[in-house]
Amino acid sequence: AQRVTQPEKLLSVFKGAPVELKCNYSYSGSPELFWYVQYSRQRLQLLLRHISRESIKGFTADLNKGETSFHLKKPFAQEEDSAMYYCALMNRDDKIIFGKGTRLHILP
Amino acid sequence: NAGVTQTPKFRILKIGQSMTLQCTQDMNHNYMYWYRQDPGMGLKLIYYSVGAGITDKGEVPNGYNVSRSTTEDFPLRLELAAPSQTSVYFCASSPKQGDYSNQPQHFGDGTRLSIL
Repeated sequence: AQRVTQPEKLLSVFKGAPVELKCNYSYSGSPELFWYVQYSRQRLQLLLRHISRESIKGFTADLNKGETSFHLKKPFAQEEDSAMYYCALMNRDDKIIFGKGTRLHILP
Repeated sequence: NAGVTQTPKFRILKIGQSMTLQCTQDMNHNYMYWYRQDPGMGLKLIYYSVGAGITDKGEVPNGYNVSRSTTEDFPLRLELAAPSQTSVYFCASSPKQGDYSNQPQHFGDGTRLSIL
């Protein structure tokens, strides 16, 4: 079964502390993986994709095929990082599968 | 390109009324999706379409209908509105894998729907 699992519904982190949003996937093959972010009352927008191996707004995510994970990390949380984060997978049929999302709350 | 356009942005319905949420995209994308997002919750897929004339149920299709007569349009119909359908509805589209230059799935701004 093709699945994206985000085990944390809510994650609260103090400003300046490290952030790690967990994402695990189930897929037989080489998936394309992404992180989307949704700020309050806005549309979802792409944050980063694994094939780019880029850092956006200080966030990075490394694909670990052995652990089937694609965790999102940032070394120092900022208040403007508070948002809903979705991990997503694109399968070989071009279908996008989203996780349930994790709400990140940055505490002052 | 306007991207994915949803109308209306807000709507209040009475129980039992019907309405159609419009979604159109001008990127010639094959895939289109409808999601609902309940307050504080994640996305739930209602219906999706892989191309004109083809639609499939998602995770929560009950109470909704869709059609895809053209590549551009993917309207979502509520026939008998119920309070449980109060939510924010997002439409999205995506091209074929490998054709995307910036992101795999483009979202609209959402339609905020309240059923009273």
